[in-house]
Amino acid sequence: GDSVTQMEGPVTLSEEAFLTINCTYTATGYPSLFWYVQYPGEGLQLLLKATKADDKGSNKGFEATYRKETTSFHLEKGSVQVSDSAVYFCALTLNTNAGKSTFGDGTTLTVKP
Amino acid sequence: DAGVIQSPRHEVTEMGQEVTLRCKLISGHNSLFWYRQTMMRGLELLIYFNNNVPIDDSGMPEDRFSAKMPNASFSTLKIQPSEPRDSAVYFCASSLEREANYGYTFGSGTRLTVV
Repeated sequence: GDSVTQMEGPVTLSEEAFLTINCTYTATGYPSLFWYVQYPGEGLQLLLKATKADDKGSNKGFEATYRKETTSFHLEKGSVQVSDSAVYFCALTLNTNAGKSTFGDGTTLTVKP
Repeated sequence: DAGVIQSPRHEVTEMGQEVTLRCKLISGHNSLFWYRQTMMRGLELLIYFNNNVPIDDSGMPEDRFSAKMPNASFSTLKIQPSEPRDSAVYFCASSLEREANYGYTFGSGTRLTVV
């Protein structure tokens, strides 16, 4: 079946460090890919997305590129801030199943000043 | 748009009591998803609807759990009777099925504590 595998956390970085959170997927089809962010005490929010190979999604300084050849969608940010501390979820959706998404387990990021 | 609205934000109840969680979808969205999140089990999909029809309820843990969509914009998740192991944060999310690349909009969640 469809699945998403994320880099295990927690990840702890110093402010202004470079961030990479790995995400790979398995899908029986051609999915759209997403990153969601969950801040403490809140629901998940869509951070960025990409719908076809080689597309780059970006938002708030975060980027991820849809790599079909490696079935990956790694999240990156060049300089993290304390306010980026959150849980990050990678997800995929196929054009079937009424748009049901498959989520990874989430990666907790803590950024220290 | 006010987004996906969940109520109540917090619920504390005694074991054995009935609990009803509520969710209002974004206008125009036609898919609705109920999730449960705990530290131990992470994010679990309980049930989802499309055009008010339940599509997959295989994630509902027991018969004590039930969900309905009485109309296109509203859903309830009921637990009867509640047990301490039901304590979790419950999220609903909506999306526009026709746009698989649309993504979900989540509510802020209901934190349920069963004592």
